[in-house]
Amino acid sequence: DTEVTQTPKHLVMGMTNKKSLKCEQHMGHRAMYWYKQKAKKPPELMFVYSYEKLSINESVPSRFSPECPNSSLLNLHLHALQPEDSALYLCASSFLTGANTEAFFGQGTRLTVV
Amino acid sequence: RKEVEQDPGPFNVPEGATVAFNCTYSNSASQSFFWYRQDCRKEPKLLMSVYSSGNEDGRFTAQLNRASQYISLLIRDSKLSDSATYLCVVNNNAGKSTFGDGTTLTVKP
Repeated sequence: DTEVTQTPKHLVMGMTNKKSLKCEQHMGHRAMYWYKQKAKKPPELMFVYSYEKLSINESVPSRFSPECPNSSLLNLHLHALQPEDSALYLCASSFLTGANTEAFFGQGTRLTVV
Repeated sequence: RKEVEQDPGPFNVPEGATVAFNCTYSNSASQSFFWYRQDCRKEPKLLMSVYSSGNEDGRFTAQLNRASQYISLLIRDSKLSDSATYLCVVNNNAGKSTFGDGTTLTVKP
């Protein structure tokens, strides 16, 4: 199993809604990541979890709240988003953080904020 | 200056052509290097890790030059299915991956 599974694949939400994105992997990876990707741009790192602890927060607004309930799951809780937050949200995992660790990406959640 | 810079592209080449992409990075302490490909509206997928000794996988060859801080990707005998955006990725020890802006390749019949 070399998959990173993200749900939902598509999400439309209003600016007052609360929603969550989910990510799951069963590769035994201990590092998990959230990225945001706008059209025709590269992925931008948002958060890194290492051994279920948040290790990197790239100054992401508090309306995005990550959670790592266990080593296989990663959530991204969304609240009071803005239309400019519409993007593809990618989850990734790797064996460990640091050097020489290849990341595997999920298919992403395409988020539209209306 | 961006941390990771790639050839802007786009590259439009005929089938069978050889095409090379370059990528430069600014942090001399960078530890690991990768090429990913991303198809339109899909997730990035690892193409190759890049080592100082160079590595080859079929038609693809990747090279790393630490002294000049650049990495390269060579694609020989291009296929239509090679059309994609190629992303250069540089990791530091803290687990942060920095992506280049990507180079778009279109292989035409």
